[in-house]
Amino acid sequence: QQQVKQSPQSLIVQKGGISIINCAYENTAFDYFPWYQQFPGKGPALLIAIRPDVSEKKEGRFTISFNKSAKQFSLHIMDSQPGDSATYFCAASSSGYALNFGKGTSLLVTP
Amino acid sequence: DTAVSQTPKYLVTQMGNDKSIKCEQNLGHDTMYWYKQDSKKFLKIMFSYNNKELIINETVPNRFSPKSPDKAHLNLHINSLELGDSAVYFCASSRNRVHEQYFGPGTRLTVT
Repeated sequence: QQQVKQSPQSLIVQKGGISIINCAYENTAFDYFPWYQQFPGKGPALLIAIRPDVSEKKEGRFTISFNKSAKQFSLHIMDSQPGDSATYFCAASSSGYALNFGKGTSLLVTP
Repeated sequence: DTAVSQTPKYLVTQMGNDKSIKCEQNLGHDTMYWYKQDSKKFLKIMFSYNNKELIINETVPNRFSPKSPDKAHLNLHINSLELGDSAVYFCASSRNRVHEQYFGPGTRLTVT
């Protein structure tokens, strides 16, 4: 049973554009929402995370927007670069122990 | 200095064999995890250990047995390997009750 739904499955963005990935969840007990970036052959790396007491968090070119009432959150990558090409995973957790991942978005940033 | 390390990186074996994957973290974390990433890249929690105590066992066949000799190590032993066990297995760690999880480089297991 998929607890976190992620879209789109794949995304192509031109260099300098904005990449947007969306996630939705049902479990209102979730209290932690991280985004991970994974390059081929590597482990997922924590990119940015948010908790439901804030609606937005920005770190450099990466921004999480969080809508508690809609149970949705999204990742925005501003000024996308070819080096951002990777698979991005959203996740959610309530126990503090296990992350429930979305199915991932393969992002390709073209030159 | 590698924060979370796994050995081996690649593991190719035949059906029915028993194999182990080792994980070590040097972050001083109290909680460690095993995740499985399937061929479609879906990541799913398998086990979670806190201070060497099993916290989560997510409907994993009992052919999989995690072992934590100390807080810095969490090994995964798999008995009677099946074709469907082929996947990438990731170890991760976090500070106790702190959500930030740090992943290892993964072990690609191929069962033939």
